[in-house]
Amino acid sequence: TQLLEQSPQFLSIQEGENLTVYCNSSSVFSSLQWYRQEPGEGPVLLVTVVTGGEVKKLKRLTFQFGDARKDSSLHITAAQPGDTGLYLCAGLSNAGGTSYGKLTFGQGTILTVHP
Amino acid sequence: ETGVTQTPRHLVMGMTNKKSLKCEQHLGHNAMYWYKQSAKKPLELMFVYNFKEQTENNSVPSRFSPECPNSSHLFLHLHTLQPEDSALYLCASSQGTSGVFAYEQYFGPGTRLTVT
Repeated sequence: TQLLEQSPQFLSIQEGENLTVYCNSSSVFSSLQWYRQEPGEGPVLLVTVVTGGEVKKLKRLTFQFGDARKDSSLHITAAQPGDTGLYLCAGLSNAGGTSYGKLTFGQGTILTVHP
Repeated sequence: ETGVTQTPRHLVMGMTNKKSLKCEQHLGHNAMYWYKQSAKKPLELMFVYNFKEQTENNSVPSRFSPECPNSSHLFLHLHTLQPEDSALYLCASSQGTSGVFAYEQYFGPGTRLTVT
C-alpha cells in the first residue's frame, strides 16, 4: 500500500508570512498533484508535477517535485487570508498502463492565514 | 464553475433508509470516481468507472452500490448504512485517455451524508 505523509497537519500564520507544506513517501509516483479544498466544497486542482526535480510556480505558490519522484513541497510566499483552506497532495500511480488514475492522497494540511 | 455537479448537497438518513447520490460531469470525461472523505483520514477511493465499466472496487461494503449508466452520470446507491458511514462523499472525473495530464481529477462539491 502506498502512503503519502503530509506535514504539518495544521498551520496557523499571520498574513504576509511564508510557509512550506511537505509531502513524503517511500514510493515513486508517476506524477504528483496538489489540490486546495475550501469548507463545503470539493478539492480543486492547483498543479500537476511530473518530472523529478520539476519546479512550477502559480503566482505566490511554488511547487517542487523531488528528484526521485517520492516527495513534493508547496511553498507559499506572503500568505494572504484568501489562501486559507485544506491543501492536499496526491500521488498518481497507474501501474499496468490503465487509462484512469489511481490517486493516493495525503492527510492534508489545514492552513489558516490571519489578517 | 466546477463542471462536476452532485446532488443532493446534504442528506440525512436513517439506518434503514435507501437513498441515492447523483453525480454528473459536463467535461466530456471518460473516467469517474467515488471518494469518501472523513474527518482526520485521507480521501479514500471507493469506486472507479472507466468508459462506463467498473474497474476498481476498493473493498467497499455492499451497502454501497455504484451505478454508471453512461460516461456523464454516476450514482451511489445507499442501503442500511451505519453511523460510521457519515462523511463527505465526493465524485470526480478525469479524461481517461493517455498522457499524464489526462489523469487530473476534477471534483464535485460533495454530498454531506449523516446517518442517524
